[in-house]
Amino acid sequence: DAGITQSPRHKVTETGTPVTLRCHQTENHRYMYWYRQDPGHGLRLIHYSYGVKDTDKGEVSDGYSVSRSKTEDFLLTLESATSSQTSVYFCAISEVGQGGRGYTFGSGTRLTVV
Amino acid sequence: AQKITQTQPGMFVQEKEAVTLDCTYDTSDQSYGLFWYKQPSSGEMIFLIYQGSYDEQNATEGRYSLNFQKARKSANLVISASQLGDSAMYFCAMREREVRTSYGKLTFGQGTILTVHP
Repeated sequence: DAGITQSPRHKVTETGTPVTLRCHQTENHRYMYWYRQDPGHGLRLIHYSYGVKDTDKGEVSDGYSVSRSKTEDFLLTLESATSSQTSVYFCAISEVGQGGRGYTFGSGTRLTVV
Repeated sequence: AQKITQTQPGMFVQEKEAVTLDCTYDTSDQSYGLFWYKQPSSGEMIFLIYQGSYDEQNATEGRYSLNFQKARKSANLVISASQLGDSAMYFCAMREREVRTSYGKLTFGQGTILTVHP
């Protein structure tokens, strides 16, 4: 039981179409994050959430929006996908008091925009 | 300015030898945490080791140790007795404390690809 699942795992979409990626957790952790991974850049933070309906932007938030209406779900939406958003997207969760082991990552979603 | 810098895009090591992966960081915070993650070819992010800024001793987790030099702002990962299964991408990351949310998000370096030769 991973405690965090991402869906879909793979997606190919066309330029200009909206896309929503889902992150679901069963750990009841307060904090949730969306990262994108690109060669030469490591993982970069897109958006994060510190509670239901509480979200904030990360360093690469342009073109992305998020929503968190329930503790367990954090949705990432590309309103109009572009080729530059082709990437691997990771969701992560964390909670205060977990120390260094406090971050758990999902398995990733590979998104291709054609 | 880069908050986390990994200057080695790729590293090679012979099986059973030790290897050091470099990581330097930049922060003005007094309270922060440093992490290392492993990403094998399958893609998942695997937590390896954590060092808090106030920890006086270097962290160790089995074959992994973190060489923490606070004054030099470096947090190098040392893998002893390398195994073929250690071949992967390795990321250094830092968490800085955020006053508003009482917690911090991770900032990652660019990563180092480690290849272990038999």
